Amino acid sequence: DADVTQTPRNRITKTGKRIMLECSQTKGHDRMYWYRQDPGLGLRLIYYSFDVKDINKGEISDGYSVSRQAQAKFSLSLESAIPNQTALYFCATSVGLARQETQYFGPGTRLLVL
Amino acid sequence: QKEVEQNSGPLSVPEGAIASLNCTYSDRGSQSFFWYRQYSGKSPELIMSIYSNGDKEDGRFTAQLNKASQYVSLLIRDSQPSDSATYLCAVLTSGGSYIPTFGRGTSLIVHP
Repeated sequence: DADVTQTPRNRITKTGKRIMLECSQTKGHDRMYWYRQDPGLGLRLIYYSFDVKDINKGEISDGYSVSRQAQAKFSLSLESAIPNQTALYFCATSVGLARQETQYFGPGTRLLVL
Repeated sequence: QKEVEQNSGPLSVPEGAIASLNCTYSDRGSQSFFWYRQYSGKSPELIMSIYSNGDKEDGRFTAQLNKASQYVSLLIRDSQPSDSATYLCAVLTSGGSYIPTFGRGTSLIVHP
């Protein structure tokens, strides 16, 4: 079984729709992250959470919101989707080992906004 | 702004050759350095980490770190077509949050 899962894996939506991407993990990690990846732009951090009561904005949080429902669940919402949010979205976790911090990624959600 | 720079490639090497992937970073206080491999359409996975100046070897992979020059590299010996992927450099910069900054990745193609 995968340690970090994302649902849905693929999603097509229309401009203006609200959508939610979900992430669950069985690794027992406290830290969870949402990234988007666009061709040529690498991974960019949207939001991150170090525990259930801790939510922080990343470098590109505008247009997104998140919810940390439990240690194992971290959801990303697009309140009103727009075409330039078309991208590959990754959830990741880490254990919090300071300088040895390694990130573990989910399989990704491919989002297309028409 | 803390930056991590990689040549986007593609870097094309013949099977059996050494592939050399490079990464530079701007934050002199950076502590830890990672190489992730990402196959097309898949998620990144960690292949190497390095924390001290010098070389670190793991099988066919060698990571090299030079903090004075703010440079980290990944060498892949005896490259195989299965090594064809995008390689992401990630750097833990100073500041205490221990969130990595990723480079944009270098595409590697190993041709038979």
